[in-house]
Amino acid sequence: DTGVSQDPRHKITKRGQNVTFRCDPISEHNRLYWYRQTLGQGPEFLTYFQNEAQLEKSRLLSDRFSAERPKGSFSTLEIQRTEQGDSAMYLCASSFGGPSSYNEQFFGPGTRLTVL
Amino acid sequence: GQQVMQIPQYQHVQEGEDFTTYCNSSTTLSNIQWYKQRPGGHPVFLIQLVKSGEVKKQKRLTFQFGEAKKNSSLHITATQTTDVGTYFCAGRPASGSRLTFGEGTQLTVNP
Repeated sequence: DTGVSQDPRHKITKRGQNVTFRCDPISEHNRLYWYRQTLGQGPEFLTYFQNEAQLEKSRLLSDRFSAERPKGSFSTLEIQRTEQGDSAMYLCASSFGGPSSYNEQFFGPGTRLTVL
Repeated sequence: GQQVMQIPQYQHVQEGEDFTTYCNSSTTLSNIQWYKQRPGGHPVFLIQLVKSGEVKKQKRLTFQFGEAKKNSSLHITATQTTDVGTYFCAGRPASGSRLTFGEGTQLTVNP
């Protein structure tokens, strides 16, 4: 399967713990996005990478959230000191595009986080 | 910040009836994309509209982009049970790279 993959698919943690999620995009895609989705809502933008550069970050993200894409391939999203409000589905998406062209995004299956 | 609103939030139809969902942005968009998310699944891209007044068709689905590039609609003719899911519009502003998703319209089809 050459689609976007995410690991783990499910994560249950206790409040205050740190968690890290991984996303492997489609190999030739230069852009990678992280979203958060809660029940009954659309995906909410968190951050965006073009190759290894983090070009945009939502103001909704607190300092507890950090994302990296060190070699312009896979990406990790870390949440420190988790809170119950962080419980959600975390979606990764990738796409390919030039400087001013934005194409369809391919989504991964998501990581469902539950904070107890 | 940019807001994208969708109506209705829910739509229940009998198989064979038509369905329409509407999307409105608070700002002018450079383009708009539509995605479908099946229950328990992830969003899957349907189409992208770029030009003012653009209309695109995919079999029973018709997508429109408003003249002012601030609104869009998706119309499904003669719904089938396979159309069940939540339909999201996602708008990209004239300057910027992020997509802002609407809250979606959840479609159920009674056979």
